[in-house]
Amino acid sequence: AQTVTQSQPEMSVQEAETVTLSCTYDTSESDYYLFWYKQPPSRQMILVIRQEAYKQQNATENRFSVNFQKAAKSFSLKISDSQLGDAAMYFCALLYSGGGADGLTFGKGTHLIIQP
Amino acid sequence: AAGVIQSPRHLIKEKRETATLKCYPIPRHDTVYWYQQGPGQDPQFLISFYEKMQSDKGSIPDRFSAQQFSDYHSELNMSSLELGDSALYFCASSLTGGGLAGDTGLQETQYFGPGTRLLVL
Repeated sequence: AQTVTQSQPEMSVQEAETVTLSCTYDTSESDYYLFWYKQPPSRQMILVIRQEAYKQQNATENRFSVNFQKAAKSFSLKISDSQLGDAAMYFCALLYSGGGADGLTFGKGTHLIIQP
Repeated sequence: AAGVIQSPRHLIKEKRETATLKCYPIPRHDTVYWYQQGPGQDPQFLISFYEKMQSDKGSIPDRFSAQQFSDYHSELNMSSLELGDSALYFCASSLTGGGLAGDTGLQETQYFGPGTRLLVL
């Protein structure tokens, strides 16, 4: 069984500052993907960033970057220069890359508040 | 770019009624997934289909069934609805098999539709 844990139910950051959201996971598989999805008040699930477990290089997408520590099973998301539009629920998710159409395992989410 | 389309966007049903949710994946995507998200909860995986065959099964109740059609769209059928079925139902799609040159990095990434909000009264 796979599990994903987000230990921060809520985080708050000043606009233009940097914030880091934590995620730890557990899996017995060696090949997997990790994702961060953003869910704003509209409740649309929006892909933020993706990391393949076999890649040592941390993924980056503009202001979003991850710190992937495979041995520690940690996958944190760093948001730089926070903007009001970043306010949302952020879900960390794990996907086994066994070649089938497996479902994502999500964490409970972190509610990110951006203070102007 | 085209996204995942779900219909209807909102649905109100009475207890014990039946509901059908539809999902149209991103063009060329061969895999469809269904998720259920209750209020204040994370999405829970229900079921997936790859090339019209059921691929993986999560916590889908026996009252629910789903299928993927020849044009890759999928339908989730929900019978004997209960109050607890009130939730946001997401469909997601991905490119799982093969893929075009240059698509490798995007394979198995699930892109979500806007969801169907189901309210059971």
